[in-house]
Amino acid sequence: DQQVKQNSPSLSVQEGRISILNCDYTNSMFDYFLWYKKYPAEGPTFLISISSIKDKNEDGRFTVFLNKSAKHLSLHIVPSQPGDSAVYFCAASRGGGSNYKLTFGKGTLLTVNP
Amino acid sequence: DAGVIQSPRHEVTEMGQEVTLRCKPISGHNSLFWYRQTMMRGLELLIYFNNNVPIDDSGMPEDRFSAKMPNASFSTLKIQPSEPRDSAVYFCASTFRDRGYEQYFGPGTRLTVT
Repeated sequence: DQQVKQNSPSLSVQEGRISILNCDYTNSMFDYFLWYKKYPAEGPTFLISISSIKDKNEDGRFTVFLNKSAKHLSLHIVPSQPGDSAVYFCAASRGGGSNYKLTFGKGTLLTVNP
Repeated sequence: DAGVIQSPRHEVTEMGQEVTLRCKPISGHNSLFWYRQTMMRGLELLIYFNNNVPIDDSGMPEDRFSAKMPNASFSTLKIQPSEPRDSAVYFCASTFRDRGYEQYFGPGTRLTVT
């Protein structure tokens, strides 16, 4: 049973436009959420995170939004660049700061077209 | 600085053979994680260590899988005997325990069992 779901396997956007990647979770005990980015033949790299006590976190072109009542989070990339083309993984944890076990979604392939 | 180092990068073996995957974490990191990525199940945590001690091995699929961390700079994941369904990409990741959510991944080992 997938506790973290990324229902869109792929997304294609034009350079300069906004990319919105979505993630849903089922476990209400999750209290920390992250996004990782992965290029081919490389391991995932940490991108941005958010604690359940917040509803938004921003880092440059990347913003993560958390809607706890809907058990939904999203990653916004503005403006999108061709170098953003990668697989994006959503991850969640229920550690409360001491358990670093991450549950990952299956990923969304983002393609940014020049 | 060198990142997480994994070897080999590719491994092809026959069913029934023993397979050993190796990982050197980033110097100074005190938490280490082994993940497996497959099309069906996505990226799943197998086991993680804090200060060389296994903390959670609930993701290890069967007794055929074992992991060790004899010191802070080396870990192995062993599969004995290997089966075709073990074919996957295996990632090692490390982090500082205080920032355990932001994990640094190695490039992965692509294992093919024929």
